[in-house]
Amino acid sequence: DQQVKQNSPSLSVQEGRISILNCDYTNSMFDYFLWYKKYPAEGPTFLISISSIKDKNEDGRFTVFLNKSAKHLSLHIVPSQPGDSAVYFCAASGSQGAQKLVFGQGTRLTINP
Amino acid sequence: GAVVSQHPSWVICKSGTSVKIECRSLDFQATTMFWYRQFPKQSLMLMATSNEGSKATYEQGVEKDKFLINHASLTLSTLTVTSAHPEDSSFYICSARRMGGSTDTQYFGPGTRLTVL
Repeated sequence: DQQVKQNSPSLSVQEGRISILNCDYTNSMFDYFLWYKKYPAEGPTFLISISSIKDKNEDGRFTVFLNKSAKHLSLHIVPSQPGDSAVYFCAASGSQGAQKLVFGQGTRLTINP
Repeated sequence: GAVVSQHPSWVICKSGTSVKIECRSLDFQATTMFWYRQFPKQSLMLMATSNEGSKATYEQGVEKDKFLINHASLTLSTLTVTSAHPEDSSFYICSARRMGGSTDTQYFGPGTRLTVL
């Protein structure tokens, strides 16, 4: 049972444009969501998070949107840069992050010059 | 920042031997650390939750006698793969939970590539 789903295994975006990565979840008990960036043979790097009491959180070029009714969140990167090319994982947990994280399958983002 | 280190970064061992992987939170204290494994082109799968001073909580299907976890201090957790076999070859990643504010976040180590011959 995949509770967190990233339905796009890959995404290709031109440099300077907006990258939008999507994530859906099924467990209504999740109340804390995170995005991680991962390069091959490295551990994930925390990017941005959002609590269920909010619908938007912004940090520099990264913005996460949460639609609780649709059980959907998205990560916007603008403008996209070549260094953004990596695999992006969304993750979810309950109890304000106090419980274990459940990860999506990941989306490989490629930024083309 | 929140830095988590792992040692070794890669290890090759013979079948039947045991391998210990260390996970350290360098600039914060972590009451809880997590151990994941990742197979090629797949997501991270949680193996166990490690709480300082108590026994680890293992996920369903993970053999606790094979994957020994010790969380001896607020900055160190170890994972020992006992009697390793080729099917144990994987990328093992730890994370440490940093408490702060109304929510907390897991910060990941760089991972350890284990190859069992």
